Amino acid sequence: QQPVQSPQAVILREGEDAVINCSSSKALYSVHWYRQKHGEAPVFLMILLKGGEQKGHEKISASFNEKKQQSSLYLTASQLSYSGTYFCGTERNDYKLSFGAGTTVTVRA
Amino acid sequence: SAVISQKPSRDICQRGTSLTIQCQVDSQVTMMFWYRQQPGQSLTLIATANQGSEATYESGFVIDKFPISRPNLTFSTLTVSNMSPEDSSIYLCSVGKPPDYGYTFGSGTRLTVV
Repeated sequence: QQPVQSPQAVILREGEDAVINCSSSKALYSVHWYRQKHGEAPVFLMILLKGGEQKGHEKISASFNEKKQQSSLYLTASQLSYSGTYFCGTERNDYKLSFGAGTTVTVRA
Repeated sequence: SAVISQKPSRDICQRGTSLTIQCQVDSQVTMMFWYRQQPGQSLTLIATANQGSEATYESGFVIDKFPISRPNLTFSTLTVSNMSPEDSSIYLCSVGKPPDYGYTFGSGTRLTVV
């Protein structure tokens, strides 16, 4: 079942912050976050596991509220390179991901 | 993380024909996933390809339309059969090793059916 992602789009100036939300009606084992630039494949950003463990890279952070089945991705002090479409992917302990509709982030100078 | 070579990168095909997409991984992986992404849309899982067993298909996708082969732990193919313009999309393969790593995607195959 596809998670609900919001907002659909956000426009930022360099240095500004943004939050992208992802929620599911089903119990989750993990939440993944990916960024896709136009014409390219999605690139893994971060995984958040049930129990609070996080694994990822880059200067992007995220949270996972297991009780509410919600995750948030925090873009802090945004850079031009942060532009792209962000997808959350939810997993129910079967290694299969269901992706949200995506959030298009545009960072302007 | 794994490196995936996917080909072809794009193709234009006549309706009624079939196209086979290949994905080669630089390391052995147990599961490989095939996705479809309509332009500007999200990714939809087509099927999971496991070596040594039949692929498992998601709701709305059937083996006759999207046959999958997985002859070994580093290679898989997805065939789009009897194509119609509605099959025009980007097809991607993916592998991963959660929870240590997320999933890596192939560069995608942009298919146009005319």
